[in-house]
Amino acid sequence: AQRVTQPEKLLSVFKGAPVELKCNYSYSGSPELFWYVQYSRQRLQLLLRHISRESIKGFTADLNKGETSFHLKKPFAQEEDSAMYYCALTGGGNKLTFGTGTQLKVEL
Amino acid sequence: DVKVTQSSRYLVKRTGEKVFLECVQDMDHENMFWYRQDPGLGLRLIYFSYDVKMKEKGDIPEGYSVSREKKERFSLILESASTNQTSMYLCASSSGGYTGELFFGEGSRLTVL
Repeated sequence: AQRVTQPEKLLSVFKGAPVELKCNYSYSGSPELFWYVQYSRQRLQLLLRHISRESIKGFTADLNKGETSFHLKKPFAQEEDSAMYYCALTGGGNKLTFGTGTQLKVEL
Repeated sequence: DVKVTQSSRYLVKRTGEKVFLECVQDMDHENMFWYRQDPGLGLRLIYFSYDVKMKEKGDIPEGYSVSREKKERFSLILESASTNQTSMYLCASSSGGYTGELFFGEGSRLTVL
C-alpha cells in the first residue's frame, strides 16, 4: 500500500525566513511525487512534480529515495505563500494518494 | 484553460436523503475522480473513472456510488446520506496520458443534519 505522511498540520514562519514542509512516503516501487497547493478561496492546484526538477514560485523539492522523503523548500518565505500544501504520490497512472496537508502561515 | 465545474457549492441535506453531486469538465479528459477533503485527514479518494461507464473504487467507497454516462460528466451519489458524510467533496479530472496533474473543481460542501 502507498502512503504519504506530512507530520506538521501547521507551520508558522516569519516573512523572509526559510521554509521546509516535510513529506515522507511509503511505496514499494518507484514513485512519482508531487506537491499541490490550495490558496485561500481557490482551487487545489499542482505546484510542482519531482520529475520536472523545476523551481516554481521559488519552491523546490528533491526526491530522496534513501530517506523516502520529498520535502518542499523555499529560502525566503513571502506572505503570498500562506496556503495549504499537500504532498501526493502515484506509482504510475493518474491515481494520486495525498497526505494530510500542512497549513503554512507566513507572518509579517 | 481547464475548467472543472461542480454544480453545487453548498448543500444541506437530512439524514437518509439521496444526494447527487455533479461534476463536468470541458477539456475532453479521460480520467475523473471524486475525493473528500477533511481537516486532519487530507484528501481521500472515493471513486474514479478512466472511461465512460467505467468506475473503480478508491480508498473509501463505502456509502457512495458514481455514474459516468458521458465523458465530460461524473456524478457522485450518496444513496442514504449520513452525518459522517458531512464534508467537502472535490471533483478532479486529468488527461489520459500520464502527467500526474489533476485539475480540481471548486468543491461542494455538504452538510448532513
